[in-house]
Amino acid sequence: DSGVTQTPKHLITATGQRVTLRCSPRSGDLSVYWYQQSLDQGLQFLIQYYNGEERAKGNILERFSAQQFPDLHSELNLSSLELGDSALYFCASSGAPGQGPLHFGNGTRLTVT
Amino acid sequence: AQSVTQPDIHITVSEGASLELRCNYSYGATPYLFWYVQSPGQGLQLLLKYFSGDTLVQGIKGFEAEFKRSQSSFNLRKPSVHWSDAAEYFCAVVFNTGTASKLTFGTGTRLQVTL
Repeated sequence: DSGVTQTPKHLITATGQRVTLRCSPRSGDLSVYWYQQSLDQGLQFLIQYYNGEERAKGNILERFSAQQFPDLHSELNLSSLELGDSALYFCASSGAPGQGPLHFGNGTRLTVT
Repeated sequence: AQSVTQPDIHITVSEGASLELRCNYSYGATPYLFWYVQSPGQGLQLLLKYFSGDTLVQGIKGFEAEFKRSQSSFNLRKPSVHWSDAAEYFCAVVFNTGTASKLTFGTGTRLQVTL
């Protein structure tokens, strides 16, 4: 058990809808990362937060947004969903911002129909 | 350009045989290096990491990796593979240190273990 909790585990929704994925980092970790894993794109870095502040941005679409709250949990918001957004979304955490994501959650599988 | 390459998409080994999974990176400095394992339907588990120091790194589940600066490589090894090691293995690299940590993943190597 990595200590990183992601909810929900599965999400099925229709095109055009909006969903929110939630992540609770491992206890004591201040840095949260979001990744998208799909068959055609592999594992893609989306965004990193450290103690509530955005620290790095990757291939995150404008339709997607994220935030980290004062209690350090993070949410990834996906809007105007398209079929191609179907993927496994991972959250990861670490203590220091420069260490990289050390602990991954089990992911949220999003299916857009 | 900064990149990480896992040249082997799929590897099959017999149980009890040794294993080496290759990882190469392209970067002007020494990056942070990681190996993760992903079992079907599961998240990624960190096997080991290299930040600095001893270039031979020991990880969990009997895995080790060696950083070779001259070859820009960080290959993962295990002396004797178990059937439960069948999974997908990802090499990953943090190119930018400081407070921004864009971990870039290789495309993965799927390991099949035959009995």
